Amino acid sequence: GAVVSQHPSRVICKSGTSVKIECRSLDFQATTMFWYRQFPKQSLMLMATSNEGSKATYEQGVEKDKFLINHASLTLSTLTVTSAHPEDSSFYICSASGDRGIGDLHFGNGTRLTVT
Amino acid sequence: DAKTTQPTSMDCAEGRAANLPCNHSTISGNEYVYWYRQIHSQGPQYIIHGLKNNETNEMASLIITEDRKSSTLILPHATLRDTAVYYCIVRVNTNAGKSTFGDGTTLTVKP
Repeated sequence: GAVVSQHPSRVICKSGTSVKIECRSLDFQATTMFWYRQFPKQSLMLMATSNEGSKATYEQGVEKDKFLINHASLTLSTLTVTSAHPEDSSFYICSASGDRGIGDLHFGNGTRLTVT
Repeated sequence: DAKTTQPTSMDCAEGRAANLPCNHSTISGNEYVYWYRQIHSQGPQYIIHGLKNNETNEMASLIITEDRKSSTLILPHATLRDTAVYYCIVRVNTNAGKSTFGDGTTLTVKP
């Protein structure tokens, strides 16, 4: 149980274009999902908290207009990297709390974004 | 969330037990110890968590000292597929999203 699916697994885009990443909870409902970014040889850094039916909460230093988050249903959150630049190249990971009430996080397999 | 300290790296022979330590001397009474691991180029995976009692599941065992200032994750029979970065996180169980992933321990299981 508590499977989180993330798509695509990797994407290459040109500078200036936008990329959408999807995060789905497959066998449970997730009112809250989380988006992280991970640069090579570094740890995960929380970018934002995605709340179903309301605005996302962004961490300090994360541009909300650049990283658009939509959480329109209990099983889907999307992250759109707008006007991507090479410095946005990174590993983006989403997660959701499991539904057992024990505070466990379940992660997607990540999206490797390369901006050329 | 309480700060944790883990060794940067560890090696373990295949088939042997891997014991990964974590220090969390500033842990609060309502904070749990969570362990995750991240295999290269994948998302992290939840392993186990506990409050004060030792815990065991199909993946690992978690030993928490009586004063709760440190813990050890035990992989009883490490395999090559257990090579990963292991993260020890301390937080209240109602605030999953605020998990702070430090640098973790890179465990390398060798044949």
